[in-house]
Amino acid sequence: GNSVTQMEGPVTLSEEAFLTINCTYTATGYPSLFWYVQYPGEGLQLLLKATKADDKGSNKGFEATYRKETTSFHLEKGSVQVSDSAVYFCALTRIQGAQKLVFGQGTRLTINP
Amino acid sequence: EAGVTQFPSHSVIEKGQTVTLRCDPISGHDNLYWYRRVMGKEIKFLLHFVKESKQDESGMPNNRFLAERTGGTYSTLKVQPAELEDSGVYFCASSQVYRPYGYTFGSGTRLTVV
Repeated sequence: GNSVTQMEGPVTLSEEAFLTINCTYTATGYPSLFWYVQYPGEGLQLLLKATKADDKGSNKGFEATYRKETTSFHLEKGSVQVSDSAVYFCALTRIQGAQKLVFGQGTRLTINP
Repeated sequence: EAGVTQFPSHSVIEKGQTVTLRCDPISGHDNLYWYRRVMGKEIKFLLHFVKESKQDESGMPNNRFLAERTGGTYSTLKVQPAELEDSGVYFCASSQVYRPYGYTFGSGTRLTVV
């Protein structure tokens, strides 16, 4: 079946540090991959997505590249800010069939000033 | 446009009681999904409506859970009777049929069963 595995948190960094949150997946066919973010007190928001191999999704300084050979979609940011503190979820969905999302367990990120 | 609205935002009930969660999707969004996150684990799919029809309810954990979407507008998720393991955050999301990746999530309902 389809599944997503994220690095376990919580992750605590200092402002301006480099961020990597690992995400690997198992899926049949060619899934689309997503990173969602949940800021305190808010709903899940789409951060970025990639729909085919070697695509790079980017938004708000975050990037992730769809790596089919390693079945990975790691999230990176070169210089994090306090406002990036949130819970980050990696997810996939099949292009065909049901449009439901399969999520990883989430990684809580805290950025200290 | 208004976002996806869920209420209540928090609910604390005793084991054996009944709770009903409500989701108001974005107007015009025919797809409506329910998801649940239990105890800091992954967010899991519960079910998917297209308008008023259940497209996929493979994630519903058992028959204590009943979801409805009368008239294809808002949806309710009833848990009866609630058990301790039902505690978690219940998320609703909606999207347009021709934009399946354009999910908009609500803020969730945090359910605590004591």
